[in-house]
Amino acid sequence: DARVTQTPRHKVTEMGQEVTMRCQPILGHNTVFWYRQTMMQGLELLAYFRNRAPLDDSGMPKDRFSAEMPDATLATLKIQPSEPRDSAVYFCASGLGGQGVGYTEAFFGQGTRLTVV
Amino acid sequence: QQQVKQSPQSLIVQKGGISIINCAYENTAFDYFPWYQQFPGKGPALLIAIRPDVSEKKEGRFTISFNKSAKQFSLHIMDSQPGDSATYFCAASKRWGSTLGRLYFGRGTQLTVWP
Repeated sequence: DARVTQTPRHKVTEMGQEVTMRCQPILGHNTVFWYRQTMMQGLELLAYFRNRAPLDDSGMPKDRFSAEMPDATLATLKIQPSEPRDSAVYFCASGLGGQGVGYTEAFFGQGTRLTVV
Repeated sequence: QQQVKQSPQSLIVQKGGISIINCAYENTAFDYFPWYQQFPGKGPALLIAIRPDVSEKKEGRFTISFNKSAKQFSLHIMDSQPGDSATYFCAASKRWGSTLGRLYFGRGTQLTVWP
């Protein structure tokens, strides 16, 4: 049963601490998205990658957020330093897309619920 | 700027009734319009999707109606059931011929179906 796996599922941290969230995309998928969900803003795209290269990270606060794909099986989202306003659910999604391939559905993970106190 | 506008924000329907959620978009380059369903504590999951070359797509009790000229699309849930109670998101994307393909989401509709 192929699925996107995110760890941790829940994270409580103190303001100023570094937070790292991990995502294992579905094997064979070449596109990975990071979304943030809050009551106020809904689902916002933070960044996305195709074939491990960042395509769009314009939604991400550059001063504190960073996203990487060390290899095809791992995507990371890091916040340093974390702030209370970063409290949200962070979703990773993966899919298959690109020139000549089109875009198929995005499969979402279960999310990481982050609370910064 | 919200690329996809969704209404209503919340919807209460009696069991057996019809639930209707509406979305509108501006960017005529969008060519893929999925609907996602999200249950509490879970990630969004694709429910049904439509391309702009068709005006309607039906899968079981779920139907998407698409009006290209008005740049609007809607989700109809027939014979709504308590198990349909969830948050529904419409979305839009440029699917073909682009290295992008990101999803632009509406703000979501919280559907409650009373037994």
